[in-house]
Amino acid sequence: AQKITQTQPGMFVQEKEAVTLDCTYDTSDPSYGLFWYKQPSSGEMIFLIYQGSYDQQNATEGRYSLNFQKARKSANLVISASQLGDSAMYFCAMREGALAGNQFYFGTGTSLTVIP
Amino acid sequence: DTAVSQTPKYLVTQMGNDKSIKCEQNLGHDTMYWYKQDSKKFLKIMFSYNNKELIINETVPNRFSPKSPDKAHLNLHINSLELGDSAVYFCASSQATVINTEAFFGQGTRLTVV
Repeated sequence: AQKITQTQPGMFVQEKEAVTLDCTYDTSDPSYGLFWYKQPSSGEMIFLIYQGSYDQQNATEGRYSLNFQKARKSANLVISASQLGDSAMYFCAMREGALAGNQFYFGTGTSLTVIP
Repeated sequence: DTAVSQTPKYLVTQMGNDKSIKCEQNLGHDTMYWYKQDSKKFLKIMFSYNNKELIINETVPNRFSPKSPDKAHLNLHINSLELGDSAVYFCASSQATVINTEAFFGQGTRLTVV
């Protein structure tokens, strides 16, 4: 089974609107972390936001917030007030436990295009 | 100061050649990774090292050989390059025992095999 599933290959949003990028995950480990990354056309991987499995509140970082629904195993990224510079690929990732060498599992990504 | 730096950024080479990509991190992290990003943007783990010890070795052709001389460096050597090796290779680092630490990525190396 896929550890991370992103079902939206491409999304469009009007500038200044909010957009939700979906992410579901699969793990039996009670301790895990969820991450979102942005990859603009220039290619670098930019960390956006983190949510821990034991965190009671949804994470927020500026215009980014994470809608964490543990029972549904979903960790959707919400971008408010979209800007043209938000056009990029967005990856959801998960890390299980805190063991040495544990990898980050990545989803297939969602390509977001912000329309002026 | 660049946290994770990998060189070169671009690498164009002919089939059959041997090439290396270097990676260094100055974050004091104990874990380093190599990921391959294919043309569809999928990020696939190749190797994971913790304190110079190989932890993860995914199904990668043995033409790919990572080397970690110390915990700040993880280099990737590729023998007998093939057309299918063309991709972007990312080095990353993190702190193993701190789960809320994100992976820090290098800028990527775009390898083109012709």
